[in-house]
Amino acid sequence: QQQVRQSPQSLTVWEGETAILNCSYENSAFDYFPWYQQFPGEGPALLISILSVSNKKEDGRFTIFFNKREKKLSLHIADSQPGDSATYFCAATNQGGSAKLIFGEGTKLTVSS
Amino acid sequence: GALVYQYPRRTICKSGTSMRMECQAVGFQATSVAWYRQSPQKTFELIALSTVNSAIKYEQNFTQEKFPISHPNLSFSSMTVLNAYLEDRGLYLCGARQGAETLYFGSGTRLTVL
Repeated sequence: QQQVRQSPQSLTVWEGETAILNCSYENSAFDYFPWYQQFPGEGPALLISILSVSNKKEDGRFTIFFNKREKKLSLHIADSQPGDSATYFCAATNQGGSAKLIFGEGTKLTVSS
Repeated sequence: GALVYQYPRRTICKSGTSMRMECQAVGFQATSVAWYRQSPQKTFELIALSTVNSAIKYEQNFTQEKFPISHPNLSFSSMTVLNAYLEDRGLYLCGARQGAETLYFGSGTRLTVL
């Protein structure tokens, strides 16, 4: 059973548009949600994260919106740039527990110029 | 800043042989290390979690006999893939964190099995 789900599987936006990547989870015990950005041939790099006590986290062009009741979150990338083209992974964990991060299956973002 | 180095970046081994990969944490103390395998389809499989002063916990479908892990200090961990076969290919990722902080990943070791 996939505990963390992402949609869409792939997304194409034009340069300057806002890309919206969706994530949902099953386990109510999850309280920490990092998003990782991965370029081909590289490992995943932490992009932005949010704790379940917050409903919004902003860092530059990247914003996470979090809805605890619906167990959903989304990553918004404003003013998308071609350099943002990568695969984005939503992950979840119970931060007070082990380092066991559960990953979604990723959204491949392509930003066209 | 927190950095995690993995080496080698790529390795090719013959079917039935073994290979060792290493992980170094720089700028923080890696109290926990998680080893993942990322399939060619990009899905992540957790192999095992290693926490200093605790036993290493392997996930279902992964065993110490196949993937022995060493975590001797707060900056280093290694994992060996023993008797590698085609189904073991993929990108092996080391993620390290200090306490309850974020998990930081290395660039991975890409294993190809011939």
